[in-house]
Amino acid sequence: EIVLTQSPGTLSLSPGERATLSCRASQSVSSSYLAWYQHKPGQAPRLLIYGASSRATGIPDRFSGSGSGTDFTLTISRLEPEDFAVYYCQQYGSSLGEFTFGPGTKVDI
Amino acid sequence: QVHLQESGPGLVKPSQTLSLTCTVSGGSITSGGYYWSWIRQHPGKGLEWIGHIYHSGSTYHNASLKSRLTISADTSKNQFSLKLSSVAAADTAVYYCARGTRGQVAANWYYVMDVWGQGTTVTVSS
Repeated sequence: EIVLTQSPGTLSLSPGERATLSCRASQSVSSSYLAWYQHKPGQAPRLLIYGASSRATGIPDRFSGSGSGTDFTLTISRLEPEDFAVYYCQQYGSSLGEFTFGPGTKVDI
Repeated sequence: QVHLQESGPGLVKPSQTLSLTCTVSGGSITSGGYYWSWIRQHPGKGLEWIGHIYHSGSTYHNASLKSRLTISADTSKNQFSLKLSSVAAADTAVYYCARGTRGQVAANWYYVMDVWGQGTTVTVSS
């Protein structure tokens, strides 16, 4: 079973700053199977990035994803007030058809 | 535009069965290329994938829940359901249903949950 670790646990930043979030897998993950979600309290999670680096429909270009193998990164180039949320990475395990989420990184002011 | 809505009891007694339904509107659960998922979030914790059902009827379950879990679909009502037996306080969570999408980028397949319901809170307590 692949375990995802996210760091830092909390990222305290101000609007306009750059946010760099890390997701590390316990073993190599196909880039196509790595996704990122944004989750705000009381709301449904929102898909941001799929295939490690492709933005989902309607996602602003200040969000970008990168990485391969065991190390993946979500970057928010300039934080907007609405970007303060929890961000999860997720991987798909093709052998058993299962999904795994990381523990999340909270981006707050 | 596809919309998902969870429904079911907000309070379940320990040892009983938790039953939730997700009603899908704006699209058919029999459409190819999609799977219909359940995810939960324990209080103050992260997201946990529970399982999903394909349009073909095939199901996949989180191994830690498999012995207690049933996921099914009612195509006539465009709904899919979750049943979790022998619940305990540890099953208290917000439960989300979601549409999963399989697609290709640069000839590689990806699997994501791209449309989510708002979630429903289930508390297990006597």
